[in-house]
Amino acid sequence: EDQVTQSPEALRLQEGESSSLNCSYTVSGLRGLFWYRQDPGKGPEFLFTLYSAGEEKEKERLKATLTKKESFLHITAPKPEDSATYLCAVNTGFQKLVFGTGTRLLVSP
Amino acid sequence: NAGVTQTPKFQVLKTGQSMTLQCAQDMNHNSMYWYRQDPGMGLRLIYYSASEGTTDKGEVPNGYNVSRLNKREFSLRLESAAPSQTSVYFCASSGGTGNFQPQHFGDGTRLSIL
Repeated sequence: EDQVTQSPEALRLQEGESSSLNCSYTVSGLRGLFWYRQDPGKGPEFLFTLYSAGEEKEKERLKATLTKKESFLHITAPKPEDSATYLCAVNTGFQKLVFGTGTRLLVSP
Repeated sequence: NAGVTQTPKFQVLKTGQSMTLQCAQDMNHNSMYWYRQDPGMGLRLIYYSASEGTTDKGEVPNGYNVSRLNKREFSLRLESAAPSQTSVYFCASSGGTGNFQPQHFGDGTRLSIL
């Protein structure tokens, strides 16, 4: 069964304190891994697509990496506006996404 | 720049009532999707439409029907609502059938069934 597990469930950081979020997956055939950001009361907002192991993508303070079994979302020197839930999803074929349950990030000033 | 628009934003129903959730996208995307999001469960695919005129079941289709009205619009219908269908419903669209096309989401419909 295709499965996506995110850890930790929740993370509290001080402003400027860098950390990483983990997304581990077991799928029969990976056809893309996606990171999304979700703010309260809003829909998921697309951040990155990772295609194959070894790939890295960056956007402002965020950097996503991919191995054969997991992906990391590294947050460098976070700001309070980075507070959100971060979702990971894998495409198992025919554009069917399997989502993890997310990591709730709170960055305090 | 509307993107994906969902209506209504909130709705309260009684058990057994029917309702249609509406979704429209203005990005000329071929594929559209309906998900539900429940605490601790993550987003789960209900139905999807790879292109105009086609629809397919996702992970949790029971109790729902869909209509791909045209390229822009994809509706989700609850024929006889049950309390287990209390959830936040998200519509999404993507630009093609390729595996690496990201899906873009609306802001959801919050549905409570009493």
